[in-house]
Amino acid sequence: GESVGLHLPTLSVQEGDNSIINCAYSNSASDYFIWYKQESGKGPQFIIDIRSNMDKRQGQRVTVLLNKTVKHLSLQIAATQPGDSAVYFCAEGVSNFNKFYFGSGTKLNVKP
Amino acid sequence: ETGVTQTPRHLVMGMTNKKSLKCEQHLGHNAMYWYKQSAKKPLELMFVYSLEERVENNSVPSRFSPECPNSSHLFLHLHTLQPEDSALYLCASSQVMKRGGNEQYFGPGTRLTVT
Repeated sequence: GESVGLHLPTLSVQEGDNSIINCAYSNSASDYFIWYKQESGKGPQFIIDIRSNMDKRQGQRVTVLLNKTVKHLSLQIAATQPGDSAVYFCAEGVSNFNKFYFGSGTKLNVKP
Repeated sequence: ETGVTQTPRHLVMGMTNKKSLKCEQHLGHNAMYWYKQSAKKPLELMFVYSLEERVENNSVPSRFSPECPNSSHLFLHLHTLQPEDSALYLCASSQVMKRGGNEQYFGPGTRLTVT
């Protein structure tokens, strides 16, 4: 399968600070990227996606940045809250093939 | 609640047992997926059904057998499993569009333990 990896397995931040979670992907043909959040005992939950024709997309308190030159994806969370504590996965895929490859995940700990 | 339900939530089975996992989506989607999530490993795509037709079988051992009787239901039939098959099995669904964009909605998973 494809190789999607995360630089940091665990990230600890103070409540109110901004968080940045990074992801590297390997397939230059990937044209669609997704960030998921997985809380304990639950399935992954969609956060935000981005297509390869964009380099930035913003949601509510979250921003995804895509750098196709170095095949790097990041998720920025503004004003991190305790409820943001979870494992975050990036996934890459070719959108018309229904297949996505997930990274190993980064655990985000938000300290009060 | 994501609109994707899975039963059972927990399952313990012996290596000689036969069991089935069930997934149901209430979102009107046209594609369904099985993933395996093991500790310290990335989420692994097992099977993809699009419009009730299997379009992906990711080199999964034959002791796992999927079934998609209609667009809302997906099963994973298990038989003669091995202890290393113990994992969280996640079902997902999505609405596949011509222009792509394939946000997948996941169920809560079935925690499987093979003894």
